[in-house]
Amino acid sequence: DTAVSQTPKYLVTQMGNDKSIKCEQNLGHDTMYWYKQDSKKFLKIMFSYNNKELIINETVPNRFSPKSPDKAHLNLHINSLELGDSAVYFCASSQEGIIQYFGAGTRLSVL
Amino acid sequence: QKEVEQNSGPLSVPEGAIASLNCTYSDRGSQSFFWYRQYSGKSPELIMFIYSNGDKEDGRFTAQLNKASQYVSLLIRDSQPSDSATYLCAVRPGGGADGLTFGKGTHLIIQP
Repeated sequence: DTAVSQTPKYLVTQMGNDKSIKCEQNLGHDTMYWYKQDSKKFLKIMFSYNNKELIINETVPNRFSPKSPDKAHLNLHINSLELGDSAVYFCASSQEGIIQYFGAGTRLSVL
Repeated sequence: QKEVEQNSGPLSVPEGAIASLNCTYSDRGSQSFFWYRQYSGKSPELIMFIYSNGDKEDGRFTAQLNKASQYVSLLIRDSQPSDSATYLCAVRPGGGADGLTFGKGTHLIIQP
């Protein structure tokens, strides 16, 4: 049973489109995250979210918005996609600050 | 800006030898320190975490932390070809912030 699952695994789309990536964790963790890994493999935090507080990395464009329907889900919605958004996006969750599992990643290609 | 620095490599080590991976961090208030392994095309996997100064051992892996020098290292004993991967150092900042700040990773190659 996968601890952190995200879909889709691959996403190919045109510039200007809006897309969403879904994430679910079955670990009962309180905090979930979205990370972006660029072509140079640098992993950067985009958001951290628990059921009380959203913390946004100040460098993330406001075209990116996390949406959490419940504690086990944190989806990532991206508006007006740009070429520079092409990357691998990882979802993760933590308990007491320890990220034990990442999702398998979503490889986004913007054409 | 809080940073985590790693030598990108590649670091080439003969099979059976000790691989030594190093990391420095800028935020002196950092609370906890993590090592992840990432195979190409896969997600990061947690290897170890350490909170206190000194060494922490888990099987073939030893994490070392020196807060005074703001330095974390990972030793891999009896290196195997399957250890070939990118190793990511990550730091949980101080001040109650959540999430981890990652280094750019060290590419390790174990030569059979």
